[in-house]
Amino acid sequence: KAGVTQTPRYLIKTRGQQVTLSCSPISGHRSVSWYQQTPGQGLQFLFEYFSETQRNKGNFPGRFSGRQFSNSRSEMNVSTLELGDSALYLCASSLGPFGTQYFGPGTRLLVL
Amino acid sequence: SQQGEEDPQALSIQEGENATMNCSYKTSINNLQWYRQNSGRGLVHLILIRSNEREKHSGRLRVTLDTSKKSSSLLITASRAADTASYFCATDLATGTASKLTFGTGTRLQVTL
Repeated sequence: KAGVTQTPRYLIKTRGQQVTLSCSPISGHRSVSWYQQTPGQGLQFLFEYFSETQRNKGNFPGRFSGRQFSNSRSEMNVSTLELGDSALYLCASSLGPFGTQYFGPGTRLLVL
Repeated sequence: SQQGEEDPQALSIQEGENATMNCSYKTSINNLQWYRQNSGRGLVHLILIRSNEREKHSGRLRVTLDTSKKSSSLLITASRAADTASYFCATDLATGTASKLTFGTGTRLQVTL
């Protein structure tokens, strides 16, 4: 069974731009979560989707948004990029709540 | 904010030795998961232990959970150079119906030959 895939793997943007990251979960998994990892703040939860509904959200500004499609694939969008948004963005999928979360390789975003 | 704090922050051992990492958390949990991360790559799931379990094993890994002390430990026996990585505990809280993993600060393990 294929693992979680994330595209693109690397991205360079400038301040003020917006970016969309994509995540394809493991086949059959309906829950997708997003995390941001930075050296200063560590791993932080962004949001979680299940059956196209956002059920949980972390403490991030409204510039961070996401959605999930009917095939469970998910996208996250960051608008008006700031230097501090430079991070590794990780997506994880699971069968449902409180299950094992399997992570993708991440998208490394650099904001200049 | 970090739910879990891990101890030690860094650990250096020789191949063949055992490595023990500890994780403390603050609130009631549904489960606790341990992950490994190599050099800023994706996280690899190691073990999930539920709040009603006290100990789990997987190969050379042993995880214990003490909910009364809100702490967990990960033991890697007979360590290998390939075990060199950062290890994170993550708690899935007991409230609500949606998962939200909250990660600890991580332990950097260095295994030397």
